[in-house]
Amino acid sequence: EPEVTQTPSHQVTQMGQEVILRCVPISNHLYFYWYRQILGQKVEFLVSFYNNEISEKSEIFDDQFSVERPDGSNFTLKIRSTKLEDSAMYFCASIWGANEKLFFGSGTQLSVL
Amino acid sequence: GQQLNQSPQSMFIQEGEDVSMNCTSSSIFNTWLWYKQDPGEGPVLLIALYKAGELTSNGRLTAQFGITRKDSFLNISASIPSDVGIYFCAGNENYNTDKLIFGTGTRLQVFP
Repeated sequence: EPEVTQTPSHQVTQMGQEVILRCVPISNHLYFYWYRQILGQKVEFLVSFYNNEISEKSEIFDDQFSVERPDGSNFTLKIRSTKLEDSAMYFCASIWGANEKLFFGSGTQLSVL
Repeated sequence: GQQLNQSPQSMFIQEGEDVSMNCTSSSIFNTWLWYKQDPGEGPVLLIALYKAGELTSNGRLTAQFGITRKDSFLNISASIPSDVGIYFCAGNENYNTDKLIFGTGTRLQVFP
């Protein structure tokens, strides 16, 4: 089965530093997403991206967050100045079209110290 | 924000037993999905439901989209050790969004 690939699997950073989380969605997929999961809690939507622009974002996705699809294969999430509360597992996901199966990556565990 | 409440929070069962878990919302959902998450992994889709009243099976798993569109259940029959994990319901509130709202999760432990 095709896979969404995320790197790195773990990222440790100091508070205030910038981090970039990388994702390679499935190659023919058109819709891309970032979700996060704080330890022991539910998965929360951050942002959706289609046709090279953000289509929807949650209240969590503030000015410190940005997404980019710099080329035809990568999809990145940048956090400009990390805070302690940004520590979480970040999942990238992609889908070919509406009502199709959403594929999640294995996640990047971000730890902000 | 919108909440999906799952129950029970956790279950400890013997191998071979059947399991039932459900998910409720205070508002109508247009899609109900059930995911399983293994430790250190992303959620994996088990079953997707798109119409009120729909009953769908995937092997030993059966899920239903409630008639009121405010609830869904997932049943696992004849549980096996690899069923261990966290089960999340998720859904779309309306057709104008593809944002998934996830439930609070049910942690399943299966003892041999």
